[in-house]
Amino acid sequence: RKEVEQDPGPFNVPEGATVAFNCTYSNSASQSFFWYRQDCRKEPKLLMSVYSSGNEDGRFTAQLNRASQYISLLIRDSKLSDSATYLCVVGHNDMRFGAGTRLTVKP
Amino acid sequence: ETGVTQSPTHLIKTRGQQVTLRCSSQSGHNTVSWYQQALGQGPQFIFQYYREEENGRGNFPPRFSGLQFPNYSSELNVNALELDDSALYLCASNPGGGGEETQYFGPGTRLLVL
Repeated sequence: RKEVEQDPGPFNVPEGATVAFNCTYSNSASQSFFWYRQDCRKEPKLLMSVYSSGNEDGRFTAQLNRASQYISLLIRDSKLSDSATYLCVVGHNDMRFGAGTRLTVKP
Repeated sequence: ETGVTQSPTHLIKTRGQQVTLRCSSQSGHNTVSWYQQALGQGPQFIFQYYREEENGRGNFPPRFSGLQFPNYSSELNVNALELDDSALYLCASNPGGGGEETQYFGPGTRLLVL
């Protein structure tokens, strides 16, 4: 079993759509959780940290369920500029990345 | 930008050769981590250094080695290159001693092994 597993995707959605990504992790002792965004042929960039209480940043909402070892990311009102690969990241002494879910937002 | 730089940006080597990749972290960032990202995959953790000591390692063979220097620069060395070593190599840094903190990535080095 992989340490961090994500929806394989790809997701192709129209502008304005709401899209949700899911992620599960295997290490119950994990301490930190993040969503990173990676554009084609670029480095990953932090999108948002994920807290147990859930957190929101504009159109982006992240949720964490420690009991189920599950993380989610919701993007509302998708923009063309949201097209990218979204990486679920779990930290415990070091960072472990999921394989990423590719999102394409179309006009 | 993150303030993390890497060199070179691209590199072509042949099987069996050795390669050294370099990273310059933000000033004050005591932890540097290195990752290998194959095409279509997420970054895979290679190892991590904190104040010039290795303090974590992923599932990579000993021919992957590293160094961290007092001036916040670091190196990734790969000996006896194999075709499967072709990938994007990323370094990331963070201020503290915990590799689970938010990390800031450099632009990466694309290595092609022929």
